[in-house]
Amino acid sequence: KNEVEQSPQNLTAQEGEFITINCSYSVGISALHWLQQHPGGGIVSLFMLSSGKKKHGRLIATINIQEKHSSLHITASHPRDSAVYICADRRGSMGGGADGLTFGKGTHLIIQP
Amino acid sequence: ETGVTQSPTHLIKTRGQQVTLRCSSQSGHNTVSWYQQALGQGPQFIFQYYREEENGRGNFPPRFSGLQFPNYSSELNVNALELDDSALYLCASSPHPRDEKLFFGSGTQLSVL
Repeated sequence: KNEVEQSPQNLTAQEGEFITINCSYSVGISALHWLQQHPGGGIVSLFMLSSGKKKHGRLIATINIQEKHSSLHITASHPRDSAVYICADRRGSMGGGADGLTFGKGTHLIIQP
Repeated sequence: ETGVTQSPTHLIKTRGQQVTLRCSSQSGHNTVSWYQQALGQGPQFIFQYYREEENGRGNFPPRFSGLQFPNYSSELNVNALELDDSALYLCASSPHPRDEKLFFGSGTQLSVL
């Protein structure tokens, strides 16, 4: 069972719509990452959150530590936002101290013109 | 452009063979993590190296091993390849294990026949 759950798995929307992607995790974490993956594999780091909210351009990420839940919002969506959006949690030290991420399966977003 | 390059981009091997994948990070990035991403799944943490020492490991068998070199390059070695090893292999680097921003390579697509 994947301990990081994302919803929806697939999302198709029209250009200009407000997009919300959700991420839930089951254990205490030290930080949560939102990542964007384009076809061909390249992954871009969007945000790392440990509390509250962050904004970069049209992207907003929020996290609620008590509810173990994070959301990624895209305002005024555009076809170039089409990608897979992945959340990943960082659970602090493991064994020798690594901070390997535990990833969700991703949300496939398509923005139609 | 993340400044992290992986080689080769694609590779085909047969079951039982050995493979070496390479990752070249930005200068000053002392931390490198390797991930395996099966088709349609989120990446899975293999291991992390910090200053040339293994710093933690995910749930992968010992036939997955690695090296990190002083010139900020690293290798992932997989022995006795199995069909299920077919996946996209990603490396991600940062100056320190707990840094906010991760820099991912575009990955090596490995096919085991």
